[in-house]
Amino acid sequence: DAKTTQPNSMESNEEEPVHLPCNHSTISGTDYIHWYRQLPSQGPEYVIHGLTSNVNNRMASLAIAEDRKSSTLILHRATLRDAAVYYCILKRRGSARQLTFGSGTQLTVLP
Amino acid sequence: GAGVSQSPRYKVAKRGQDVALRCDPISGHVSLFWYQQALGQGPEFLTYFQNEAQLDKSGLPSDRFFAERPEGSVSTLKIQRTQQEDSAVYLCASSLRQGPTLNYGYTFGSGTRLTVV
Repeated sequence: DAKTTQPNSMESNEEEPVHLPCNHSTISGTDYIHWYRQLPSQGPEYVIHGLTSNVNNRMASLAIAEDRKSSTLILHRATLRDAAVYYCILKRRGSARQLTFGSGTQLTVLP
Repeated sequence: GAGVSQSPRYKVAKRGQDVALRCDPISGHVSLFWYQQALGQGPEFLTYFQNEAQLDKSGLPSDRFFAERPEGSVSTLKIQRTQQEDSAVYLCASSLRQGPTLNYGYTFGSGTRLTVV
């Protein structure tokens, strides 16, 4: 599986935008970019995913570089409830197989 | 139920004791996964079921770990002769297989925190 690289930790102020980066230089053409987050004492939850085009949903936006070797998860207005570990994961299109988690980015939101 | 349910939420076991952890996936979800998460680390894959068939158990750390899903719904992860290094959060996830050309998200339970003393 292609690997991803994320910063260990980031800080943001409440109500400000947050840009969480992810590098995936060995991504293949059939890999989707998935983002999950894990709140304290909970299991991971799905945030967003995309292939080539930028994606928006009610939780976040996903910006994908033109060469697909990096992506950025954007939280438009961070709240204290967004404090979590954010995981960037590559998943082969159509595969029902497991997700491979890295260490993720611990996001701290400051009041 | 609306989500993936795991029980018990917490389990304390004495070293050498056998434990059984239960996962109730979302009704109709075909795929079921077990993960182990050590403190401060990302979840690590243990095993994967499609309906009742265990298609991948490459992540099980030893033969003390055993998982089953006999009727293709509820799954049980059993750990025999628990050791201190088994202390972790055990997560279950399920997924609705919609076909080979579509991507689909995975829904995780809140996990069972196992502490071996």
